[in-house]
Amino acid sequence: QSALTQPASVSGSPGQSITISCTGTSSDIGTYNLVSWYQQHPGKAPKLMIYEGTKRPSGVSNRFSGSKSGNTASLTISGLQAEDEGDYYCCSYVTGSSYVFGTGTKVTVL
Amino acid sequence: EVQLVESGGGLVQPGGSLRLSCAASGFTFSSYWMHWVRQAPGKGLVWVSLINSDGSSTKYADSVKGRFTISRDNAKNTLYLQMNSLRAEDTAVYYCSRGAPPDYWGQGTLVTVSS
Repeated sequence: QSALTQPASVSGSPGQSITISCTGTSSDIGTYNLVSWYQQHPGKAPKLMIYEGTKRPSGVSNRFSGSKSGNTASLTISGLQAEDEGDYYCCSYVTGSSYVFGTGTKVTVL
Repeated sequence: EVQLVESGGGLVQPGGSLRLSCAASGFTFSSYWMHWVRQAPGKGLVWVSLINSDGSSTKYADSVKGRFTISRDNAKNTLYLQMNSLRAEDTAVYYCSRGAPPDYWGQGTLVTVSS
């Protein structure tokens, strides 16, 4: 199972919006609404930001939103803040009851 | 409070074995699927394995199939990963995580495979 494809880096100024894409195949993103997104700060464990494509866990800012079109899922961060800097990973359920992560995107706040 | 605490990592020679443990607390462990996910130094997250709530079903990434075994003891609220025939490319921080998809994660345990 190959990793989902994400851009290596995305940057934006405080207050701006950025979008991170996550491209898979018909065996994962294209078939299932089971994409999750994780934020990871250096040396820390990943934190769940979005699940089932569009849902936010309790406590996650509504500045984070998810969407999907075809084989591509997206994470949008609105009103970018310094604390949003970090690495972001998508993850999808895969046919056959396994999971696959994306390649990861480094978000920089300028 | 949900807590997941991994242990058992360390330095092992190529071809060696190691067993990781993940002690769970703060939730009904026996109700949740559990995962192992790893992250090589400076690299991205890679899904390794999952086990269903009663331990009757397991799945593995192709890269570890036949070498790693995931298991759980619901009476002890503990998840395990038995790793055999270890290779240099297995060097990583290993995280255990709860649920499908993973929601809570432990802080990880470092496994280094080197001679």
